[in-house]
Amino acid sequence: DVKVTQSSRYLVKRTGEKVFLECVQDMDHENMFWYRQDPGLGLRLIYFSYDVKMKEKGDIPEGYSVSREKKERFSLILESASTNQTSMYLCASSSQSFNYEQYFGPGTRLTVT
Amino acid sequence: LAKTTQPISMDSYEGQEVNITCSHNNIATNDYITWYQQFPSQGPRFIIQGYKTKVTNEVASLFIPADRKSSTLSLPRVSLSDTAVYYCLVGARFQGAQKLVFGQGTRLTINP
Repeated sequence: DVKVTQSSRYLVKRTGEKVFLECVQDMDHENMFWYRQDPGLGLRLIYFSYDVKMKEKGDIPEGYSVSREKKERFSLILESASTNQTSMYLCASSSQSFNYEQYFGPGTRLTVT
Repeated sequence: LAKTTQPISMDSYEGQEVNITCSHNNIATNDYITWYQQFPSQGPRFIIQGYKTKVTNEVASLFIPADRKSSTLSLPRVSLSDTAVYYCLVGARFQGAQKLVFGQGTRLTINP
């Protein structure tokens, strides 16, 4: 069974802290994504990666960075967390083209106080 | 980038067929249309994908007219467990890469 796992289900951090969200997939997928989901706004793409060490900005990359050192792992980094980054963060992966099926992780509910 | 528009919410009853329409006027030649389902506190789940005409799988059907500016997800004989948010996505090519654009989603409520 395909699997995308995220390091934490719930996370509480203070303003100004550096935050790491980890995502691991076991499907040998080339593509990985980070989204955030907020009420009334749906899912918004933060960053995506189509290969190891390759990344591209999505719709809302400001305040975030990413790292992909290994094919199976894609990390989202909040360099200095702010309260407006309180959100549900979802990681996904897919094979080949972005047009194909994306597999999502369970999400990390991040609260920045 | 192809933007999608779909109804914010819909209501139906168990056993009925439900059709959710998505508008994507700026769809590009290479774009596919994909639908996802999301239950509360879970990540979205792939339902169906198509390029043109009609696609059917064990869960749903997807109807795409010739101009591809809209698509309709059809759920046959819905049950209470089909209550969820449904997202229409269009794959957009941008600067050599491809990314999917999630719309607002349609909150479908199935009543007994």
